[in-house]
Amino acid sequence: NAGVTQTPKFRVLKTGQSMTLLCAQDMNHEYMYWYRQDPGMGLRLIHYSVGEGTTAKGEVPDGYNVSRLKKQNFLLGLESAAPSQTSVYFCASRFADRGSNQPQHFGDGTRLSIL
Amino acid sequence: AQKVTQAQTEISVVEKEDVTLDCVYETRDTTYYLFWYKQPPSGELVFLIRRNSFDEQNEISGRYSWNFQKSTSSFNFTITASQVVDSAVYFCALSLNDMRFGAGTRLTVKP
Repeated sequence: NAGVTQTPKFRVLKTGQSMTLLCAQDMNHEYMYWYRQDPGMGLRLIHYSVGEGTTAKGEVPDGYNVSRLKKQNFLLGLESAAPSQTSVYFCASRFADRGSNQPQHFGDGTRLSIL
Repeated sequence: AQKVTQAQTEISVVEKEDVTLDCVYETRDTTYYLFWYKQPPSGELVFLIRRNSFDEQNEISGRYSWNFQKSTSSFNFTITASQVVDSAVYFCALSLNDMRFGAGTRLTVKP
């Protein structure tokens, strides 16, 4: 049982390059999330999805796009990477139990550096 | 708007001391959930506790305890008899469909 798996774990990009971060979960969770973690700022929500085919903006969505074509996968795309997007990215997922708001399960993070 | 404030950026204690991590939140919703997560030096995020807005009972789990006070919009976390292994960054979070995290409190427990 892998839980939440993020690919890749590390990546270095040049400004202007594009890339996609993959998040895969094997727990049949409906909700999935992408966060970025920067020093002194905690985790900030980029985008999230409440089900296959649906996405919504979080707190800091600019410069990112997401897709949820399959229930188990949530992709985060950077179309034209900027140094300000250097961060550690976390993916999370949880069940959509109404009224109970289950805790999120987190991946191990992707450390992304933009030069 | 939802907001979580953890005013303590860093705390340093000596082993066996008690320590309280503060969390203050803002929301207009009447139904919400509060969480605490731990991020040890290895970097993963570990779920500690969940509390809904209708349950103001304090909770104790071993050396950990949580004090939820709706009147002051606070959800504070106390570690009793701290240990070196408690050294980590602790995050408080507020959740509806999305989740808003506080900036975190870095706790260092010295032997």
